Amino acid sequence: NAGVTQTPKFQVLKTGQSMTLQCAQDMNHEYMSWYRQDPGMGLRLIHYSVGAGITDQGEVPNGYNVSRSTTEDFPLRLLSAAPSQTSVYFCASSQNRDRVAQPQHFGDGTRLSIL
Amino acid sequence: AQSVTQLGSHVSVSEGALVLLRCNYSSSVPPYLFWYVQYPNQGLQLLLKYTSAATLVKGINGFEAEFKKSETSFHLTKPSAHMSDAAEYFCAVSPGGATNKLIFGTGTLLAVQP
Repeated sequence: NAGVTQTPKFQVLKTGQSMTLQCAQDMNHEYMSWYRQDPGMGLRLIHYSVGAGITDQGEVPNGYNVSRSTTEDFPLRLLSAAPSQTSVYFCASSQNRDRVAQPQHFGDGTRLSIL
Repeated sequence: AQSVTQLGSHVSVSEGALVLLRCNYSSSVPPYLFWYVQYPNQGLQLLLKYTSAATLVKGINGFEAEFKKSETSFHLTKPSAHMSDAAEYFCAVSPGGATNKLIFGTGTLLAVQP
């Protein structure tokens, strides 16, 4: 049972480069989200999706793009990497049931450095 | 708007001592509250959740938390710390509803001394 799988685990980019962080889940969860974790700031929501074809912005969406073409996959795109985007990125998924908050399942993270 | 405050970014206890990690929330609607644990270089794992069924919630690894509406608190406790409890702990709140958005506190790093 794989759960939430994130790739790559580590990445180093140069300023201005673009890349896509991959996230896949095999639990048939409707809800998926991306967070970034920075020291002393906890986790902050970047984008989320409540189902295929539906995405919305979170707390810190600038510089990031998402799409949700399938239930399983929720990639995060950095359009033009900046040093301020150096962070650890987590993807999470959960059921979306009866308007009751459900526990989220997290991937192991992608550690991204922008030089 | 909902928010979470975790008092104490670093807490150190001796092995066998009581663990108390503090979390206060702000919410205009009845909240759903969670505690997650993060071990080094790993993702977050659910410790326990409060969804209004009972005010005292028991989680994994001997942890529990009590929801106190009058104090807007959801503190995490464990009677006796173990070395393996050393990790970072996050309190989170969600309004529920049409989305499953989580708002996290800034985390508390727990150190357990031998």
